[in-house]
Amino acid sequence: DAKTTQPTSMDCAEGRAANLPCNHSTISGNEYVYWYRQIHSQGPQYIIHGLKNNETNEMASLIITEDRKSSTLILPHATLRDTAVYYCIVRAPRILASKLTFGTGTRLQVTL
Amino acid sequence: NAGVTQTPKFQVLKTGQSMTLQCAQDMNHNSMYWYRQDPGMGLRLIYYSASEGTTDKGEVPNGYNVSRLNKREFSLRLESAAPSQTSVYFCASSISGSHETQYFGPGTRLLVL
Repeated sequence: DAKTTQPTSMDCAEGRAANLPCNHSTISGNEYVYWYRQIHSQGPQYIIHGLKNNETNEMASLIITEDRKSSTLILPHATLRDTAVYYCIVRAPRILASKLTFGTGTRLQVTL
Repeated sequence: NAGVTQTPKFQVLKTGQSMTLQCAQDMNHNSMYWYRQDPGMGLRLIYYSASEGTTDKGEVPNGYNVSRLNKREFSLRLESAAPSQTSVYFCASSISGSHETQYFGPGTRLLVL
């Protein structure tokens, strides 16, 4: 799986968009970009994933650059409940089950 | 839909005691996983079950055993607990191994004295 690089921490004002970057310059053609988050003391939560095209769901949008070497997770209207550690994971589909490797992630602090 | 449920939420054990952590999912997923997370650390895979009837070791299997009781349930057993097993344990499930969108339970906090 390709290595990812994320900022250690970010702040965002409540109601504003939170843009969380991720670099994955060694990504391969069949590798997807996944985003998870972990709110304090809770289990990780799947947010969104994509291959090439931008993706949007009820939680967030995922923007992947044309060369696929980086991506941005966008929370359009951040709330205090979005305060969490956000993990960007790059991996290829597997035939068999295998582990998810969570790096250090970005600690997002949403403030009033 | 409860998703992934885990029991108990919190447990204190003495060194040498045994216990079983329970996990169940109601999403008809084929694959299930057990992770542990130590303070300030990432998740490490203990064991996983790609499908009903199969189990495989992950990164840190020593000191643990698992049982895939049926498609819904995947239990983790500590036969003789050690202080090094103090951690938060998360169970997860996914439809299959291929696309790895894993859904996690709320966790079991285990303290071994």
